[in-house]
Amino acid sequence: EDQVTQSPEALRLQEGESSSLNCSYTVSGLRGLFWYRQDPGKGPEFLFTLYSAGEEKEKERLKATLTKKESFLHITAPKPEDSATYLCAAPGYIFGTGTRLKVLA
Amino acid sequence: GAVVSQHPSWVICKSGTSVKIECRSLDFQATTMFWYRQFPKQSLMLMATSNEGSKATYEQGVEKDKFLINHASLTLSTLTVTSAHPEDSSFYICSAQREYNEQFFGPGTRLTVL
Repeated sequence: EDQVTQSPEALRLQEGESSSLNCSYTVSGLRGLFWYRQDPGKGPEFLFTLYSAGEEKEKERLKATLTKKESFLHITAPKPEDSATYLCAAPGYIFGTGTRLKVLA
Repeated sequence: GAVVSQHPSWVICKSGTSVKIECRSLDFQATTMFWYRQFPKQSLMLMATSNEGSKATYEQGVEKDKFLINHASLTLSTLTVTSAHPEDSSFYICSAQREYNEQFFGPGTRLTVL
C-alpha cells in the first residue's frame, strides 16, 4: 500500500536553531514528491516538487532534498514566521500527516 | 502564478439547507481539480476528483448525493453540500492540478452547520 509518513509530528525550535523534517515514502513508481506549508485555517501553500533522487531545491531558509526512500526539509536559522505545519505528498493524493513546527523567538 | 481561489471563505447555514462552494484557478487551466476535507489538527482527506466535462470520482465512503461536484470549465469547479447537517461542519479545501502533477490549493472554506 502506498504510504507517506512524516516525522516528527511536532517540533519546537528556538529562533536560529536549524533542523530537518523527514518524509519517508513507499510509493510505487514515484512521480514527484511535494512539500507544502499550511498555516492554521488556510489552504496548503506549495513549496517544492522533487522528481529524482539527489535533487535539491531551495527557497529562502528552506531546502528540500530527495533520496530513493525519503525526503528532508531542512530549515536553516528559522524565524518565528516559519511556524506552520509542513506537509509532504506524493501523486495519487497521498498526504503525510504533517509536522507542526513552532519557532520560538 | 498558480493561484487558486475559493468562495466563500466561511459560511454558516441552518441544518437542511444546501451550500455551494466555488473553486477557481485564476491564472492557469486545470483539467483536474480536487476536493478535500480537513478536521482540526488532521491532514487532508481527499473527497473527490473532479475532471472537466465528466463526472467526479468519489473516494470510498464519500456520499456522492450529499456532496455534488460540478466541473463546469477548465477554471471552475463547485462543491454543493446538500441538506447539510452539523456533522458536515468542516474545513473544505479545493486544489487544481497543473502540469507535472503539481497541485495548488485554495484558501479553504469553513462550513458551520447549525
